[in-house]
Amino acid sequence: DSGVTQTPKHLITATGQRVTLRCSPRSGDLSVYWYQQSLDQGLQFLIHYYNGEERAKGNILERFSAQQFPDLHSELNLSSLELGDSALYFCASSASNSGNTIYFGEGSWLTVV
Amino acid sequence: AQSVAQPEDQVNVAEGNPLTVKCTYSVSGNPYLFWYVQYPNRGLQFLLKYITGDNLVKGSYGFEAEFNKSQTSFHLKKPSALVSDSALYFCAVRDLYSGNTPLVFGKGTRLSVIA
Repeated sequence: DSGVTQTPKHLITATGQRVTLRCSPRSGDLSVYWYQQSLDQGLQFLIHYYNGEERAKGNILERFSAQQFPDLHSELNLSSLELGDSALYFCASSASNSGNTIYFGEGSWLTVV
Repeated sequence: AQSVAQPEDQVNVAEGNPLTVKCTYSVSGNPYLFWYVQYPNRGLQFLLKYITGDNLVKGSYGFEAEFNKSQTSFHLKKPSALVSDSALYFCAVRDLYSGNTPLVFGKGTRLSVIA
């Protein structure tokens, strides 16, 4: 158990809908990262937050957004969902902004039908 | 820009034999290198990392990796493979002093250990 908690574990939703994925980082970790894993694209970095502030943005679509709250948990919001958004979404956390070991949650499986 | 290449999509090895999973990287500065393992329907688990120091890094479950700066490689190795080592392995890199850049992952190598 990495100590990173993600909910829900599985989610099935229809095209055009909006979903929110939630992540609780390891105790004391200030950095939260979101990654998307799909069969054809591999593991893609989406966004990084450090202590509530956005620090880096990767291949995140405009339909997606994220935030990190004062209690350090993070949410990834996915809207106007398309079939191609079906993927495994990982949250990861690390102790600092400088790139210590990043620990991953078990992921949230999103299926868009 | 940082990048990682895992040249083999699949590696097959017999149980008890040594295994190697290859990784090469590209960074503009000094590399910060990781190996992760993913079992079916699970998250990525940290195996080991290299920052500085000894080129041979030992990690979890008997795995080790050798950093080779001249060849820009960080191959994962284990002296004797177990069936339970069968999983998807990811190499990742970031520039040690690049500030906010995230870990960049390779596409993964599926290891199959055959009894």
